[in-house]
Amino acid sequence: NAGVTQTPKFRVLKTGQSMTLLCAQDMNHEYMYWYRQDPGMGLRLIHYSVGEGTTAKGEVPDGYNVSRLKKQNFLLGLESAAPSQTSVYFCASLLGVGTEAFFGQGTRLTVV
Amino acid sequence: GENVEQHPSTLSVQEGDSAVIKCTYSDSASNYFPWYKQELGKRPQLIIDIRSNVGEKKDQRIAVTLNKTAKHFSLHITETQPEDSAVYFCAASTHSGYSTLTFGKGTMLLVSP
Repeated sequence: NAGVTQTPKFRVLKTGQSMTLLCAQDMNHEYMYWYRQDPGMGLRLIHYSVGEGTTAKGEVPDGYNVSRLKKQNFLLGLESAAPSQTSVYFCASLLGVGTEAFFGQGTRLTVV
Repeated sequence: GENVEQHPSTLSVQEGDSAVIKCTYSDSASNYFPWYKQELGKRPQLIIDIRSNVGEKKDQRIAVTLNKTAKHFSLHITETQPEDSAVYFCAASTHSGYSTLTFGKGTMLLVSP
């Protein structure tokens, strides 16, 4: 039982490049969230999903896209990376509303 | 949407002292209030939570209180230890279909021996 796993753990991108972050959970959770963490800003919600095939925008969705084709996976895409997207990205999964959020180990992304 | 304010942003205490972190929320529909601890370089982990039908909850040295009328909730840590040093986040969530978990900006707690 791995819990929530993020891939990759570290990445350096050049401005304008694209990439996809993968979040995988093996707990049969319905809800999955993508957050970014910046110093002094806490955890800000980018996009989220309340079940397979659903996605919705969070607080800071611009520049990101997501897909939830399979219940266990939630993908976060950056189509054209910008230095402002340098951050630590965390994925979280929850069984349902009002339940514990389990976080992945984080992805440290640097855009140069 | 929901807005969660958290204070203070940093808190330094001596080992054995108590620490209190306060949060306010804006959405009266929020009914679930968890607290997460994040050690340096690690992922956030749930330490305690409280629901809107409860005013206080304790778990050993930590306790949370909730005042629904004032829309604020607090984390209390007694007999602090150096291993309590971390960033603490409060959060709020509503009980609805498209529910999100909104976090405060965090409090860095430093416990000095």
